[in-house]
Amino acid sequence: GDQVEQSPSALSLHEGTGSALRCNFTTTMRAVQWFRKNSRGSLINLFYLASGTKENGRLKSAFDSKERYSTLHIRDAQLEDSGTYFCAAVSYQGGRALIFGTGTTVSVSP
Amino acid sequence: EAAVTQSPRNKVAVTGGKVTLSCNQTNNHNNMYWYRQDTGHGLRLIHYSYGAGSTEKGDIPDGYKASRPSQENFSLILELATPSQTSVYFCASGDRFLSNERLFFGHGTKLSVL
Repeated sequence: GDQVEQSPSALSLHEGTGSALRCNFTTTMRAVQWFRKNSRGSLINLFYLASGTKENGRLKSAFDSKERYSTLHIRDAQLEDSGTYFCAAVSYQGGRALIFGTGTTVSVSP
Repeated sequence: EAAVTQSPRNKVAVTGGKVTLSCNQTNNHNNMYWYRQDTGHGLRLIHYSYGAGSTEKGDIPDGYKASRPSQENFSLILELATPSQTSVYFCASGDRFLSNERLFFGHGTKLSVL
């Protein structure tokens, strides 16, 4: 079935640096969402993309349906960026609402 | 392969009726979660469990009960369903990988309460 492979599973950053999270899809996806898990366990919307790129503050996301991937870039990382980030893809195949990656835990240190 | 299975995939219920959403995981994970997804809210945590026999309230537990009779099964129960509970519900199980948890999600259950 459709799969979402998210990497890395864990990421350590120093304050002020940046990096990227990536999700690869086994098939063409209609859209992608990126979430962040808060301390209570809820997944907060960061981005929804059907194509192209979106930017919000120090976060930027890109989605390429044809190449079957999406990225989430963190720049100028701050301590409060620590947390677990998930991507979820919306498939063209019928029946499935969202297909989730397993998450990337980001740890930002001083 | 880690697997989380939800049933049913789609459900139409009447206001005031009882609805039970089921979740089964073959990951042998201790933690299980129920979320609902609504536009503009991301996925909000309803109930979660640390293991068989345990249920804990999440961010939005009102109107929902949960049951964890075994390691594998975690149910979400709407005793008196209301139209505001129309949503897509996701179940997940979690491991503790290097003290950071990965979540494995089910396919989702679309619930419509009329």
